[in-house]
Amino acid sequence: SQTIHQWPATLVQPVGSPLSLECTVEGTSNPNLYWYRQAAGRGLQLLFYSIGIDQISSEVPQNLSASRPQDRQFILSSKKLLLSDSGFYLCAWSARQGEGYTFGSGTRLTVV
Amino acid sequence: AQSVAQPEDQVNVAEGNPLTVKCTYSVSGNPYLFWYVQYPNRGLQFLLKYITGDNLVKGSYGFEAEFNKSQTSFHLKKPSALVSDSALYFCAVRDMVGNFNKFYFGSGTKLNVKP
Repeated sequence: SQTIHQWPATLVQPVGSPLSLECTVEGTSNPNLYWYRQAAGRGLQLLFYSIGIDQISSEVPQNLSASRPQDRQFILSSKKLLLSDSGFYLCAWSARQGEGYTFGSGTRLTVV
Repeated sequence: AQSVAQPEDQVNVAEGNPLTVKCTYSVSGNPYLFWYVQYPNRGLQFLLKYITGDNLVKGSYGFEAEFNKSQTSFHLKKPSALVSDSALYFCAVRDMVGNFNKFYFGSGTKLNVKP
């Protein structure tokens, strides 16, 4: 069966520090991968999506970047965090032309 | 562009009473609609989906949703609410761009079920 792993679960980082959040999927190949941010416990904003290795699309300009070095690995990064980067980050995957998403358990990022 | 709207920020219901969480959609073409639930500090969990077929869709945990094309709605329902149903609920619509799924989520509705 397919599983998605996201870590760390919580992270407290100072302003200006770098960020790396990792997401991996098991039990499938060629997944579509996504990073979402949920601010203030509510709406979900699509940040990045990927259809394959090194194929990343950004939905909104921001302080973050994403990479996909392997088929089932999706990384969210920042060189210098801002206070406004705080939030709950969710990774998700779907099969090609699949009918739904499966979400990871999320990372609570607090920038102080 | 595809979009969904959840007009209620919060819904309060007593345990044992029926519940409804509202969702309306705006799509071009046939709508692919979904409901997800989120518990505190957790990822979203799939509840149910409408792709085609019967307008009444049954999903996990006793939830169901009714697709209404004339009203462009996809309301989530449950005949008898449980305290454990208290969570944040998201309606979503799927947009296909080539081979790529892109989901657009509503703003979420917080469901409070009181004992």
